[in-house]
Amino acid sequence: QVQLQESGPGLVKPSQTLSLTCTVSGGSISSGSYYWSWIRQPAGKGLEWVGRIYTGGSTNSNPSLKSRVTISVDTSKNQFSLKLSFVTAADTAVYYCARGLARKGVAGRVIYGAFDIWGQGTMVTVSS
Amino acid sequence: EIVLTQSPGTLSLSPGEGAALSCRASQSVSSSYLAWYQQKPGQAPRLLIYVTSSRATGIPDRFSGSGSGTDFTLTISRLEPEDFAVYYCLQYDSTPWTFGQGTKVEIK
Repeated sequence: QVQLQESGPGLVKPSQTLSLTCTVSGGSISSGSYYWSWIRQPAGKGLEWVGRIYTGGSTNSNPSLKSRVTISVDTSKNQFSLKLSFVTAADTAVYYCARGLARKGVAGRVIYGAFDIWGQGTMVTVSS
Repeated sequence: EIVLTQSPGTLSLSPGEGAALSCRASQSVSSSYLAWYQQKPGQAPRLLIYVTSSRATGIPDRFSGSGSGTDFTLTISRLEPEDFAVYYCLQYDSTPWTFGQGTKVEIK
């Protein structure tokens, strides 16, 4: 049974970098059959996709975050991470990590499935 | 960016009744890469339906999905007490992946 667990500071100052880690247990993050993603949810609001990384090497993030996002994988620790730079109060949210199926299709194009396993979420507040 | 609009915003129903939740996309979601999630207070979302109509593992058959192109529907045939929650649709066809704003199904 694969489980995901987010960790990181609950409070970040404006203009600093938010750093979160998602630890994967019960399965290998190196499997080429999955991608790993971050989603966030401000209190009382809807869900926003932040970005994803496929262990085949590709990353994508939401253009609304204006290139502030870095997602990386540490296979030795079975973890993946999110860094969000130059944070403001608008980045205050519950951050979820999630997994989805991925496979190589025609001409090497990656075909992504929906998020099937989520972490419990971690609240991050941006405030001085 | 594909904008997903869910309706209604809130659905007030009694246990045993049926529910139909709509998700409309601003442009066609090709390959039917549309999913539905259920979220209860203080919990992470749970995958119910993927590729428009396939139920995720362990999801009861009272949940069903349908649609194509720009119009998608999640149907709950008979509401159980544990079904009262917020439901989100997600398109994972083109980046940025986007969610609808949610439909709350509340007890009448």
